[in-house]
Amino acid sequence: SAVISQKPSRDICQRGTSLTIQCQVDSQVTMMFWYRQQPGQSLTLIATANQGSEATYESGFVIDKFPISRPNLTFSTLTVSNMSPEDSSIYLCSVEASGRADGETQYFGPGTRLLVL
Amino acid sequence: GENVEQHPSTLSVQEGDSAVIKCTYSDSASNYFPWYKQELGKRPQLIIDIRSNVGEKKDQRIAVTLNKTAKHFSLHITETQPEDSAVYFCAAPRNAGNMLTFGGGTRLMVKP
Repeated sequence: SAVISQKPSRDICQRGTSLTIQCQVDSQVTMMFWYRQQPGQSLTLIATANQGSEATYESGFVIDKFPISRPNLTFSTLTVSNMSPEDSSIYLCSVEASGRADGETQYFGPGTRLLVL
Repeated sequence: GENVEQHPSTLSVQEGDSAVIKCTYSDSASNYFPWYKQELGKRPQLIIDIRSNVGEKKDQRIAVTLNKTAKHFSLHITETQPEDSAVYFCAAPRNAGNMLTFGGGTRLMVKP
């Protein structure tokens, strides 16, 4: 499985500010995903980040609020913009190595725990 | 899109007993079904997965069964141990593609 790291591991931010979360993988991967996990809840997909194309956002998530970059096959960033307390959550990146059309294992990063005051 | 329902939301068992968690899905084209275990404060970790060309898969004390006709799949943990205590998530791909829809999670507590 891929080794995935995220920075920062946690942060406390003031409302109205922005935070950029980095996701680094130790091998080249085709697809990367960003999830949000609110306390005690399941995982909700924010967007799919593919190298060389625009990110694809899920219903309820917009690029202005969650801009994503995917400059190469081992790295991606997610920015949480103009934060409010409702954005307090754990943000996780995941990777899928094969790009198979019928679904392949996703491996998760350790997550970034965000608290907005 | 895919809708994944997971039951029960909490499950408490005595050490040594078996635990069963069930998920149903809506997209009949789905053909890949992973299970993740998430310990408190940790990332979700894949514990087992199954593809639609088989009905059952085992890995030591863990097994997954799949009924494509009924569109449900289940996680079975035998001889439970306290370290099995965690939240378990099932998932299914949306539109038979790469994006996963997760179930709501099951908090399993194994009492010593």
